[in-house]
Amino acid sequence: GESVGLHLPTLSVQEGDNSIINCAYSNSASDYFIWYKQESGKGPQFIIDIRSNMDKRQGQRVTVLLNKTVKHLSLQIAATQPGDSAVYFCAEIGNQFYFGTGTSLTVIP
Amino acid sequence: DAGVTQSPTHLIKTRGQQVTLRCSPKSGHDTVSWYQQALGQGPQFIFQYYEEEERQRGNFPDRFSGHQFPNYSSELNVNALLLGDSALYLCASSPHGQPDTYGYTFGSGTRLTVV
Repeated sequence: GESVGLHLPTLSVQEGDNSIINCAYSNSASDYFIWYKQESGKGPQFIIDIRSNMDKRQGQRVTVLLNKTVKHLSLQIAATQPGDSAVYFCAEIGNQFYFGTGTSLTVIP
Repeated sequence: DAGVTQSPTHLIKTRGQQVTLRCSPKSGHDTVSWYQQALGQGPQFIFQYYEEEERQRGNFPDRFSGHQFPNYSSELNVNALLLGDSALYLCASSPHGQPDTYGYTFGSGTRLTVV
């Protein structure tokens, strides 16, 4: 079955620095991936998605990179702000969503 | 436009009891999915309902059951509660036929504590 995992459970960055959150997946047939942000007491919130026919997608301050060769995803957050502090999940989309464990991002003012 | 609403927000139950959690989907959504999120873990898919039927199911025992009503709202029932059922239960709604991520909306969840 699929498994989606994250390399680092916690990450601390200085405000204004860039953040990189990594994720590994195991199902090479997966063709759709999503990054979610979950703040304390709230449900996951969509950030950005990418399909397997792409290797990079950019949003507002966020970029997702997909390396299908090594089955690896990353989320880059530019100019990290205190409001970016949250747990970030990657999700692998097949006939259902498979979420990784999550990385807790703390932004230090 | 209300998003996904879940009730109650918090709940404490005793081991062996039964619990019912409720979810109202976002306006215009007809498909409801339920997830269990243990502390420090990612959400795990329980099942999905569409047209009042369970369409997909994750790796959860039969103690977990659900229902969808004609107005698309849904309930999650858990029987014979175990301590390990303590978790945040998330409901997500979407328009049928697509995991349209822009439409796939999560509620804030129900925090269930089993003592």
